[in-house]
Amino acid sequence: AQSVTQLGSHVSVSEGALVLLRCNYSSSVPPYLFWYVQYPNQGLQLLLKYTTGATLVKGINGFEAEFKKSETSFHLTKPSAHMSDAAEYFCAVMGGGYNKLIFGAGTRLAVHP
Amino acid sequence: ETGVTQSPTHLIKTRGQQVTLRCSSQSGHNTVSWYQQALGQGPQFIFQYYREEENGRGNFPPRFSGLQFPNYSSELNVNALELDDSALYLCASSQEGTDYEQYFGPGTRLTVT
Repeated sequence: AQSVTQLGSHVSVSEGALVLLRCNYSSSVPPYLFWYVQYPNQGLQLLLKYTTGATLVKGINGFEAEFKKSETSFHLTKPSAHMSDAAEYFCAVMGGGYNKLIFGAGTRLAVHP
Repeated sequence: ETGVTQSPTHLIKTRGQQVTLRCSSQSGHNTVSWYQQALGQGPQFIFQYYREEENGRGNFPPRFSGLQFPNYSSELNVNALELDDSALYLCASSQEGTDYEQYFGPGTRLTVT
């Protein structure tokens, strides 16, 4: 069965600093992996996805993630944090024989001036 | 292109009551998935509808039921509400052949007292 572990429920960075949000997955089949962002009192917005092909995936708002099969990881990065990046971030794997998303518990990102 | 919409935005119910939540999928999408997001947690898959048929179900009791209509909009019904049903209910729509991207609505915040 597929699962996702997000390391660190809270991450705090300074504006302009590197953002690194960690995600490890478990999957018995080649995984489809996603990162979503959730702003307060809103739904989820897709940041980026990995299905097949290039392992470095670029998404919206300057975020990118690298699929590393040997490490079963799909960490999310952004070179320079903006105040507007403060939100909850969810890593997800698709599985279960149909297109359901299995989410991690989320990481809340705080950005300080 | 119209995005995913959900109604109502908020509602408050009493334990034991029944509730119906509604979702309009994004134009052209024939699959709707429902998720429950308890406070401080990642979304949990409830079930999915594809062309008006239930296409998969998560670990939720039968008092959680759904419908999908010919225009691909959907309803989530919850009977005999319990306090633990208090959560944000998210609807996501997708279309086959689009790399499994799911587009989320803003959610319905249900409070059970």
